[in-house]
Amino acid sequence: NAGVTQTPKFRILKIGQSMTLQCTQDMNHNYMYWYRQDPGMGLKLIYYSVGAGITDKGEVPNGYNVSRSTTEDFPLRLELAAPSQTSVYFCASSYSGTAGNTIYFGEGSWLTVV
Amino acid sequence: GQNIDQPTEMTATEGAIVQINCTYQTSGFNGLFWYQQHAGEAPTFLSYNVLDGLEEKGRFSSFLSRSKGYSYLLLKELQMKDSASYLCAVTDSNYQLIWGAGTKLIIKP
Repeated sequence: NAGVTQTPKFRILKIGQSMTLQCTQDMNHNYMYWYRQDPGMGLKLIYYSVGAGITDKGEVPNGYNVSRSTTEDFPLRLELAAPSQTSVYFCASSYSGTAGNTIYFGEGSWLTVV
Repeated sequence: GQNIDQPTEMTATEGAIVQINCTYQTSGFNGLFWYQQHAGEAPTFLSYNVLDGLEEKGRFSSFLSRSKGYSYLLLKELQMKDSASYLCAVTDSNYQLIWGAGTKLIIKP
């Protein structure tokens, strides 16, 4: 049971570099999410998708982009990395929306921008 | 604005009972979740409440009062492995999930 798989687990980026965090789920979930988690703060939604071909901005989308070409995959692109993007990133999925549906999280990606 | 408040940190003794409170002010309400997150790991689902009252699941129980904007997570017979952060999250009227900052629970022998 793979669930939600995200890579890489750890990455150090230099300011201005770009990278993609990969995320895939094998539970045939319609909804997928990208969150960031900063120390002492609640999870913040970056982008989400309700199905293949559909993406929407969350609370903190600036500096990020996503795509959802298949049900399984939801990569997060960081363009022109900045120190403010140093954080832990979690990809997650749920069968339907957030009213009563359990969200399953990937193991997290620790990103440091120097 | 929307807000979820939980204590930052709590300490309890192995074998004891602890109650972690969560108060929320959100634009509407469509359910409340509790998740457990061990250090360096992903959050995992513990419980979901949408109606007032107590939901019991083994050693863990969760209570909701919608009129008071209040929930608590009750952990009984504490074990060392319960040392973790406990996250409260509320689904608002737009079906957006609003997360609290989490309560770090430290269990002492």
